[in-house]
Amino acid sequence: DIQLTQSPSSLSASIGDRVTITCQASQDIINYLNWYQQKPGKAPKLLIYDASNLETGVPSRFSGSGSGTHFTFTISGLQPEDFATYYCQQYDNRPPWNTFGQGTKLEIK
Amino acid sequence: QVTLRESGPALVKPTQTLTLTCTFSGFSLSTSGLCVTWIRQPPGKALEWLARIDWDDDKYYSTSLKTRLSISKDTSKNQVVLTMTNMDPVDTATYYCARVRVVAGTDLIDYWGQGTLVTVSS
Repeated sequence: DIQLTQSPSSLSASIGDRVTITCQASQDIINYLNWYQQKPGKAPKLLIYDASNLETGVPSRFSGSGSGTHFTFTISGLQPEDFATYYCQQYDNRPPWNTFGQGTKLEIK
Repeated sequence: QVTLRESGPALVKPTQTLTLTCTFSGFSLSTSGLCVTWIRQPPGKALEWLARIDWDDDKYYSTSLKTRLSISKDTSKNQVVLTMTNMDPVDTATYYCARVRVVAGTDLIDYWGQGTLVTVSS
């Protein structure tokens, strides 16, 4: 099974900061990687799909990059509503399978 | 407007079978490329994918849980049912159903239910 390792597990930052989260896959997943935001008591929300594509309606301060085994997620110019937990998710189609990273909790400094 | 809602017992006893229903609206599970998946999240922990059922009735399960899971759909009622046998306290979690959109090989979990907390305790 493919494993995803997210780092850091937690992060403190200030409004306006640029933050980056990484997700390392245990084997080549091409670009089959998505990023989600989850706020306390809420379901996750899709932000980025296929490593670098912004989901419709998601602000452009969110971005993603990477391929193969190394991926990054960046928020440029943190806003108050961005403090949440972020998950990377790998999917496969043969057969369908999903794996989530362990999450990165982004807190206000 | 796409919505999904999970329903089922909040409390089950160890060894019992859990049955959860996902009732959705705003899409049809007979539409090519659409699927419904179940994902759970133990309190304070990460998300774990459980199962998926596709528009063509193909079914897929987590390798680690496949012997305990069963997923089915009733297209006419817009419902998907997940059963999990032999429940254990470690299965205590919020269970989410969500829509998956498969487009040109890309899987997007684009709409989620609010989740339902299931506690396993005697």
